[in-house]
Amino acid sequence: AQKVTQAQTEISVVEKEDVTLDCVYETRDTTYYLFWYKQPPSGELVFLIRRNSFDEQNEISGRYSWNFQKSTSSFNFTITASQVVDSAVYFCALSEAMNSGYSTLTFGKGTMLLVSP
Amino acid sequence: GAGVSQSPSNKVTEKGKDVELRCDPISGHTALYWYRQRLGQGLEFLIYFQGNSAPDKSGLPSDRFSAERTGESVSTLTIQRTQQEDSAVYLCASSLGAAEGILAKNIQYFGAGTRLSVL
Repeated sequence: AQKVTQAQTEISVVEKEDVTLDCVYETRDTTYYLFWYKQPPSGELVFLIRRNSFDEQNEISGRYSWNFQKSTSSFNFTITASQVVDSAVYFCALSEAMNSGYSTLTFGKGTMLLVSP
Repeated sequence: GAGVSQSPSNKVTEKGKDVELRCDPISGHTALYWYRQRLGQGLEFLIYFQGNSAPDKSGLPSDRFSAERTGESVSTLTIQRTQQEDSAVYLCASSLGAAEGILAKNIQYFGAGTRLSVL
C-alpha cells in the first residue's frame, strides 16, 4: 500500500526566512510519481510540481526547490526567502504508474505554513 | 470555464437529509475524481470517472455515497441520509485522459471544493 507522511503539522516562519517542508513516502511500485500541491485559504489545490521515480534531479523554480532522494524515500520542498503569500497548506502526494490507465493520488496530511511579516 | 468549478461552495444540512454536490471539470478533461478532505487531514479518494468506462468506486465509504457523470462533463456526488461524520470538504479534480499520453494525464487540477456541514 502507498503512504505519504508529512511529519510537520504546522510551521511558522518570519518573512524572508527559508523553510523546508518534509515528505516521506512508501510504495512497492518501481515506477511512481510524486507531487506537491498548495492549498491557500481559498481552498483550491494548486499544482506545483510532479516528478517521476526515474528522475532524481533536483528542480528549482524561482523561490521553490525540490530535493528528491530515492535512497531515503523523500521528496522535500524548500521555499527560499518566504513571503506572506506563501502561507498555505502544502500537500505531498504519490501516484502509481499508469498501467491501470489512471492515477489515484495518495496524499499526506499536509503541512500548514504560516509566514508572518 | 478556465478551471474546475464546484457548487455550492458551502452547504449546511441536517442529519438524515440528502445532499447533491456538483462538479464542472475543465473543458476537454475526460478524467474526473472526487476526494474528501476532513478537518486537518489529507485528501481521501472517493471515486473516479474516465470517459464512458465504468467508474472506479473503490473509495466510496458507504452505500450512502454515489456519483454520476454525464458523458465527459458535469458530475454529481450524492450523499443520502447524511451523518455528522460526513462533514468535510469535498473536492473534485479533473485531468486529461489516456489518449493525451501518460505524462499529461496524471496531473489533476482541483476545484475549490464544497464545504459540507451536517448538523
